Amino acid sequence: GIQVEQSPPDLILQEGANSTLRCNFSDSVNNLQWFHQNPWGQLINLFYIPSGTKQNGRLSATTVATERYSLLYISSSQTTDSGVYFCAGGNDMRFGAGTRLTVKP
Amino acid sequence: DTAVSQTPKYLVTQMGNDKSIKCEQNLGHDTMYWYKQDSKKFLKIMFSYNNKELIINETVPNRFSPKSPDKAHLNLHINSLELGDSAVYFCASSPDRGSEQFFGPGTRLTVL
Repeated sequence: GIQVEQSPPDLILQEGANSTLRCNFSDSVNNLQWFHQNPWGQLINLFYIPSGTKQNGRLSATTVATERYSLLYISSSQTTDSGVYFCAGGNDMRFGAGTRLTVKP
Repeated sequence: DTAVSQTPKYLVTQMGNDKSIKCEQNLGHDTMYWYKQDSKKFLKIMFSYNNKELIINETVPNRFSPKSPDKAHLNLHINSLELGDSAVYFCASSPDRGSEQFFGPGTRLTVL
């Protein structure tokens, strides 16, 4: 099956900083998604982005399908951005191991 | 209205018991899924149903049996619970296989 690698595994930011999270796939996918799991355990859809670029407020994502990777940008981070960010894709929806983000006030 | 709901939210039980977790979606989606999230937060797909038919069945013990009475419901029955079954179980749905997924709130199962 498809392998999904996320980097970095852990990230600590000061409030207001920007960051980029990366997701690499071992094979092409046509249904890449980004999720945020908040400290209460809820999995929240961020982007469904098989290709191209999307923006939603301070968050944006870019997927380059031909090169099998996707990037999630967080700008002006806030403490409420803390949690684990997952990417997933493929017919059997393989998840990466996640990036654990901590934003300090 | 909750799009994907699961009951119960918490489940604490003894080893050897049989338990069920229910999932319902009111989005009109054709495909539903069960995932297991372990203590290290790793999410792994267990089953997927499309229009009540099983399409993904990962390597899980046969003590786990999904049941889909209709395309809005996908329940998970677990026999002879073991300590290692303790985890958070998430249900999800999507319009069809491979499209955007929406997750339920999760069920935290603790086996004592």
